[in-house]
Amino acid sequence: KNEVEQSPQNLTAQEGEFITINCSYSVGISALHWLQQHPGGGIVSLFMLSSGKKKHGRLIATINIQEKHSSLHITASHPRDSAVYICAVLRSSARQLTFGSGTQLTVLP
Amino acid sequence: ETGVTQSPTHLIKTRGQQVTLRCSSQSGHNTVSWYQQALGQGPQFIFQYYREEENGRGNFPPRFSGLQFPNYSSELNVNALELDDSALYLCASSSPGQGNEQFFGPGTRLTVL
Repeated sequence: KNEVEQSPQNLTAQEGEFITINCSYSVGISALHWLQQHPGGGIVSLFMLSSGKKKHGRLIATINIQEKHSSLHITASHPRDSAVYICAVLRSSARQLTFGSGTQLTVLP
Repeated sequence: ETGVTQSPTHLIKTRGQQVTLRCSSQSGHNTVSWYQQALGQGPQFIFQYYREEENGRGNFPPRFSGLQFPNYSSELNVNALELDDSALYLCASSSPGQGNEQFFGPGTRLTVL
């Protein structure tokens, strides 16, 4: 079993829909990242969080440390949000990230 | 503030050759991590350098080696290239003093023929 599991693997939505991507992990962590990767490969860090909730524009990330679960929400989705969204955890005992396999999001106009 | 840069952006090599990939860390960061991302998969940790010393290594063979320089830029070297080494190679810089948040470069796409 992978240490970081994401769901769904693929998600297709209509423009304007509310989107949720989930991440569960099985190890102790000091922080969790949500990352965005567009075709061509570059990765952009959206959030790093260790508790509670963060919001940036139409993006909201939450984390429940006790349940070892995090969610990324996108409100009023837009075709430019189409990308791969990756959850990655910084383990308590390490400085490197352990990644989920990503969620391919496609937002249709 | 200068972001993380990588060079080259694309590279084609043949089996058995050697390759060197380069990464310049973000200003103020003293830690560089290297990751390999095969097509359709999440990145896998190769190794990390902190203040010019290797600070952790993933499950990669010794033909994957690295260096970090006094200005905290870094190189990833791969010897005796194999077809399965074809991937996107990502570096990320961070600093313990800034919560270890990692900032990624654009990646180097390596194709081994």
